[in-house]
Amino acid sequence: GESVGLHLPTLSVQEGDNSIINCAYSNSASDYFIWYKQESGKGPQFIIDIRSNMDKRQGQRVTVLLNKTVKHLSLQIAATQPGDSAVYFCADSSGNTPLVFGKGTRLSVIA
Amino acid sequence: KAGVTQTPRYLIKTRGQQVTLSCSPISGHRSVSWYQQTPGQGLQFLFEYFSETQRNKGNFPGRFSGRQFSNSRSEMNVSTLELGDSALYLCASSGQGYTEAFFGQGTRLTVV
Repeated sequence: GESVGLHLPTLSVQEGDNSIINCAYSNSASDYFIWYKQESGKGPQFIIDIRSNMDKRQGQRVTVLLNKTVKHLSLQIAATQPGDSAVYFCADSSGNTPLVFGKGTRLSVIA
Repeated sequence: KAGVTQTPRYLIKTRGQQVTLSCSPISGHRSVSWYQQTPGQGLQFLFEYFSETQRNKGNFPGRFSGRQFSNSRSEMNVSTLELGDSALYLCASSGQGYTEAFFGQGTRLTVV
């Protein structure tokens, strides 16, 4: 079946810098994309989502960019903080199909 | 507003036994999806229930089953447990479908 993958398994950034986490998806029919943050021992936490009729959406300190031409999704975190250290997952869905998750990127923030 | 509640948080079972996990969705949410999370396979979709009906099912053996009650609470059952069933089992609730899905803390199942 289709799968969503992430380019990098780990990412280390200095506290205060911006972080960019990338994701590639393969299903051209996908029309809904979502990012989750998962801290150790916890369930995935909803960060931000975007639909295919948009190419950018901003939240609090986070921005999601969608490039449908190359089937690429990214999550930008501004002024990264130690509390942002976690594994980040992207997922996609097309219509009423279940979310397909990538393997995740572990973000480590260096104080 | 209370979040998604999963019980129990931790379980240790023996091979061959069966187990039932529970998920209470966010109030007003009618869709409940179940996922299995393992280090090797990541998050894999098990099944989704909406208004007491299973709408989608992932590629898992028949030992994995679920149901949803009229109050939208859902249970999943795994029979004849195998060592490979050790995982974090997560449920997610949404208003309908898979958009804006919110996860519970998960149930950590260990099969020995």
